[in-house]
Amino acid sequence: LAKTTQPISMDSYEGQEVNITCSHNNIATNDYITWYQQFPSQGPRFIIQGYKTKVTNEVASLFIPADRKSSTLSLPRVSLSDTAVYYCLVGAEAAGNKLTFGGGTRVLVKP
Amino acid sequence: NAGVTQTPKFRILKIGQSMTLQCTQDMNHNYMYWYRQDPGMGLKLIYYSVGAGITDKGEVPNGYNVSRSTTEDFPLRLELAAPSQTSVYFCASKTHDGTTNEQFFGPGTRLTVL
Repeated sequence: LAKTTQPISMDSYEGQEVNITCSHNNIATNDYITWYQQFPSQGPRFIIQGYKTKVTNEVASLFIPADRKSSTLSLPRVSLSDTAVYYCLVGAEAAGNKLTFGGGTRVLVKP
Repeated sequence: NAGVTQTPKFRILKIGQSMTLQCTQDMNHNYMYWYRQDPGMGLKLIYYSVGAGITDKGEVPNGYNVSRSTTEDFPLRLELAAPSQTSVYFCASKTHDGTTNEQFFGPGTRLTVL
């Protein structure tokens, strides 16, 4: 399973864009990059997934360079309710889809 | 759909006691997982299952057992509770479609072993 490295914490203000970069140098050919969000006392929630280039949905964008050794989750115009822990995971759908959740990035959105 | 449900929400055990954490999903997902999350930490995989009758160990299986007799249910058994098993336990499920890594998580069970 590919190991990921992401910042421990980030602070932001309401209305700003938050970008969280995750490093995954040993990503395998079949691996997808997936991001989850977790609020206190809740289970993680899927945000977005990508394989290469850019993926966008109603919540976030995911930027993946050509070498796929890193990825950046972009949260546009954050609000206080976006305060959460964000996890970057790398893995293939096969082999039971064993994903490794690291420590995540704690994002604090201030008023 | 109720999604993934877990019972109980909270439980306090004494050292050496046993209990079963229940997990049920109504999405007909093949894959199911049990994670534990210690305070301020990420999730660690305990056991997982790719279908009824098939289970396998994750990163931290010691002290736990699982079974998967049906597609819907994936109970986690603690035989001899220890303080080190104090944690929040999350069950998750996922469909098997060849591409998505989207797991659906339950609300969690907060377990304290005293």
